[in-house]
Amino acid sequence: DGGITQSPKYLFRKEGQNVTLSCEQNLNHDAMYWYRQDPGQGLRLIYYSQIVNDFQKGDIAEGYSVSREKKESFPLTVTSAQKNPTAFYLCASSTYTGTGAFYGYTFGSGTRLTVV
Amino acid sequence: QKEVEQNSGPLSVPEGAIASLNCTYSDRGSQSFFWYRQYSGKSPELIMSIYSNGDKEDGRFTAQLNKASQYVSLLIRDSQPSDSATYLCAVKGDDKIIFGKGTRLHILP
Repeated sequence: DGGITQSPKYLFRKEGQNVTLSCEQNLNHDAMYWYRQDPGQGLRLIYYSQIVNDFQKGDIAEGYSVSREKKESFPLTVTSAQKNPTAFYLCASSTYTGTGAFYGYTFGSGTRLTVV
Repeated sequence: QKEVEQNSGPLSVPEGAIASLNCTYSDRGSQSFFWYRQYSGKSPELIMSIYSNGDKEDGRFTAQLNKASQYVSLLIRDSQPSDSATYLCAVKGDDKIIFGKGTRLHILP
């Protein structure tokens, strides 16, 4: 079955440590996205990529980095510069329908990151 | 700043009644509109998309779009306890989707 796989499901980070969240999709979607969700804040865009080897900053990119070396993969690194990384991280991908309409996002199951 | 506004709720609706969820957006050039359902601790799930003015029905769900008023709504008929969740309104801008903060819906048994 096609879908988006995020791993790990839970992640604990120590102060000053970089951690990488994995996102892999087998939907053949061109565009991929990373969102952060905090209680009462809704979904906030961190980074997005519309094609391989290209990505753009979203609204809250500071303290995060990404790469897009393969169409299927869009890992997110949370660096030590991100001072408040505890949140629920969601990866998504998107495509267009046969008639050219934007289909909407398909989300992974998320990674819950906690600073310890 | 492009925005999508929703009432945070909670919206309490008796089982079997119609739940009505509303959303307004600021970007008049938006062309694609979505409703996502998110259960507590889970990721959002796409339940409806709408691209043109009017109503679109899918089972117990009806999405309504009025571009002149910049207004999107979701109706859930015959509400069930399993419909209790947070509903996110989403609007596609130039190259990404902007989400509202969501409305919490509670179906009363």
